[in-house]
Amino acid sequence: GESVGLHLPTLSVQEGDNSIINCAYSNSASDYFIWYKQESGKGPQFIIDIRSNMDKRQGQRVTVLLNKTVKHLSLQIAATQPGDSAVYFCAENPGAAGNKLTFGGGTRVLVKP
Amino acid sequence: GAVVSQHPSWVICKSGTSVKIECRSLDFQATTMFWYRQFPKQSLMLMATSNEGSKATYEQGVEKDKFLINHASLTLSTLTVTSAHPEDSSFYICSAPRGPRGYTFGSGTRLTVV
Repeated sequence: GESVGLHLPTLSVQEGDNSIINCAYSNSASDYFIWYKQESGKGPQFIIDIRSNMDKRQGQRVTVLLNKTVKHLSLQIAATQPGDSAVYFCAENPGAAGNKLTFGGGTRVLVKP
Repeated sequence: GAVVSQHPSWVICKSGTSVKIECRSLDFQATTMFWYRQFPKQSLMLMATSNEGSKATYEQGVEKDKFLINHASLTLSTLTVTSAHPEDSSFYICSAPRGPRGYTFGSGTRLTVV
């Protein structure tokens, strides 16, 4: 079946630097994408989402970029902080809310002081 | 709004016993609940989708007789791991499609089978 995958399993970044986490998806029918942050022993925490009719969306210190041509999604975190250390997942939804999410493999971000 | 309460947060059980995990929607009615399993250092894998008033839909490879799902009401969905074995040790998470951000997740249950 189709799946969502990530390029980098671990990302080590210096505090204050920007982080970029990448994700490749294979379902061309997906029209809604979400980035989640997960800390150890906790459920996923929503970061930002984007619909397929957009190619960029910004939040507080985070930006999601969507390239439908190459089916690529990225999450940029500006001025990475120690509290950003976690595992980040992208997830895709082939339709409206209510459809099941397919999660990518995850990237662990380690912020060095 | 849109809070899903998941209990217990962790449980240890002996091999061969059964364990029930509950997810309750506190401030909305959840007609659908997704159940995920997450092994250490891995992603969330969807196990099944429960629907209030009907049978759950299981993903390929998930044993429906081992992972019993019941959606008894519009606010409660349960996952029972029957005859648990050490390989069932995992982090189980529920999620309801609701809320301004599309989905609301429970806080997860860490199951350890000894």
